[in-house]
Amino acid sequence: GAGVSQTPSNKVTEKGKYVELRCDPISGHTALYWYRQSLGQGPEFLIYFQGTGAADDSGLPNDRFFAVRPEGSVSTLKIQRTERGDSAVYLCASGEAENSPLHFGNGTRLTVT
Amino acid sequence: GESVGLHLPTLSVQEGDNSIINCAYSNSASDYFIWYKQESGKGPQFIIDIRSNMDKRQGQRVTVLLNKTVKHLSLQIAATQPGDSAVYFCADSSYGQNFVFGPGTRLSVLP
Repeated sequence: GAGVSQTPSNKVTEKGKYVELRCDPISGHTALYWYRQSLGQGPEFLIYFQGTGAADDSGLPNDRFFAVRPEGSVSTLKIQRTERGDSAVYLCASGEAENSPLHFGNGTRLTVT
Repeated sequence: GESVGLHLPTLSVQEGDNSIINCAYSNSASDYFIWYKQESGKGPQFIIDIRSNMDKRQGQRVTVLLNKTVKHLSLQIAATQPGDSAVYFCADSSYGQNFVFGPGTRLSVLP
């Protein structure tokens, strides 16, 4: 069956620009997570949705980062005024419910020049 | 998982040998643990999970051991194959909270 889909797979943007990263979770999964992964490190939590609402956004680094999931399925991670330090792989994962295995997409590699 | 710095630990094993990858976690309230395998350019792939009411769980060629007393988790891979070469992460969660990932271990299988 279809797994978690993330688009685009690669995104290059200039410093100061706005970007949107999209995640299509596995159908029927109510839990959706965003993580960020830098080279040689483990995934770092950003935000977690249960249905349409953000159950935990404590990992968002600052107010330039925002994520939505308006219909409880597709989610968009939005980054304003991008900085070179935002360059990383942004991973999305979905789960059937809370405290169930996360299934990851292949990520969006964001490069800010 | 614990953050132990930027250098990724590496484990090299001979093809056919058993591998043991270790992980320490810091949250004593964690009750659910997962091992992931990540290949280059891909997202983490689920291998096996264990809940805190168990101390051992076996899958196909893999075994996870949980020691809650010392907050330690291990992944054992039997008869390691070249396709097992990847970075392995442990992740832990307390119910209703996000998963915290460890720094990862790179497994290199030698021919």
